[in-house]
Amino acid sequence: AAGVIQSPRHLIKEKRETATLKCYPIPRHDTVYWYQQGPGQDPQFLISFYEKMQSDKGSIPDRFSAQQFSDYHSELNMSSLELGDSALYFCASSSAGTSGSTEQFFGPGTRLTVL
Amino acid sequence: GNSVTQMEGPVTLSEEAFLTINCTYTATGYPSLFWYVQYPGEGLQLLLKATKADDKGSNKGFEATYRKETTSFHLEKGSVQVSDSAVYFCALSDRETSGSRLTFGEGTQLTVNP
Repeated sequence: AAGVIQSPRHLIKEKRETATLKCYPIPRHDTVYWYQQGPGQDPQFLISFYEKMQSDKGSIPDRFSAQQFSDYHSELNMSSLELGDSALYFCASSSAGTSGSTEQFFGPGTRLTVL
Repeated sequence: GNSVTQMEGPVTLSEEAFLTINCTYTATGYPSLFWYVQYPGEGLQLLLKATKADDKGSNKGFEATYRKETTSFHLEKGSVQVSDSAVYFCALSDRETSGSRLTFGEGTQLTVNP
């Protein structure tokens, strides 16, 4: 079965550079979520999109922005990178809009290292 | 706000031992509860879920019961295997107060020795 695809899997950037992470949800899933997991920490919700509109916003820095495109893939854009942005970034998708009980399927994550 | 608290880890067990990982939650609404598992170098996989009080989620020998009176969702398995070694996250989503975002606990590292 098709799963959530994230690219790249690994990314190394210098401080103050920009990075773009991509997420391709499971086909026919209409909702995408982004989470950030620091080393040894639990995932923290950043932002979500339902039908290409932002549906919820968590602890996402102003330096970050995201969008969902017409083909439902999503991109997380990160500017002025800081050392503290080094983390595993997960994308998840689901198929029932804003339903709280719907399973979220997670991608393998993008490991971002800021030097 | 919503929060999830897991028992402190790491947990080390011998194969075939009984496993319990405690999870309690705080929520202002009526949340759905989940256990996710993360194997080394991989993403999060849903292990089981429960959406209302007294529901029991089960999968691959793991079980957890949604206890509203004690605000708990403890994970149990009767006989663990080496392949169960992973990090386990308890999580909730509360549609009424925070939409469908997941709020995770701190995670519990489980190591099962042969």
